[in-house]
Amino acid sequence: SQTIHQWPATLVQPVGSPLSLECTVEGTSNPNLYWYRQAAGRGLQLLFYSVGIGQISSEVPQNLSASRPQDRQFILSSKKLLLSDSGFYLCAWSVLELKETQYFGPGTRLLVL
Amino acid sequence: DAKTTQPPSMDCAEGRAANLPCNHSTISGNEYVYWYRQIHSQGPQYIIHGLKNNETNEMASLIITEDRKSSTLILPHATLRDTAVYYCIDARYSGAGSYQLTFGKGTKLSVIP
Repeated sequence: SQTIHQWPATLVQPVGSPLSLECTVEGTSNPNLYWYRQAAGRGLQLLFYSVGIGQISSEVPQNLSASRPQDRQFILSSKKLLLSDSGFYLCAWSVLELKETQYFGPGTRLLVL
Repeated sequence: DAKTTQPPSMDCAEGRAANLPCNHSTISGNEYVYWYRQIHSQGPQYIIHGLKNNETNEMASLIITEDRKSSTLILPHATLRDTAVYYCIDARYSGAGSYQLTFGKGTKLSVIP
């Protein structure tokens, strides 16, 4: 069966520091991968999605970037964090065999101080 | 922005059916209706989805009106563990085998003992 991992689970970072969040998927090949952010009291916002290695689509302009160095690895990064980057970051995957239904990871809670 | 409209909150007695409504006033012909739920501090959990026909799985039933402008998620026998925020989503096909989910604020369902 497929599983999705995210780490770290919780992160507290100062403003201006860099960020790297990692997401990995097991038990499937060539998944579509997604990064979402959920600000406090709000719905999820799609940030990036990827349909293959090195292929990244950005949904909103922002202080963040994404990379997909391997088939089942998706990384969210920032060179300099802003206070507004605080939130709950969720990674998700989908595959054609499951009708592209998206399955979410446990999330990373980021607090920028 | 989310294209669906949901009531912000609902209560349901434990053991009774929970019926969660959603309006899809701008849904297009090739967009699927998806339902997810999010228990506090966890990633969203997929529940069910459909295009035109009603659907049922081990978790819930989905009723879609003939004009597809509204849907209802039915949890047949609500338990305390069903307390969560429920999201209905029109999934937009973005090409290359990827669907984009735009989450709104959802309905906070409280199951009461």
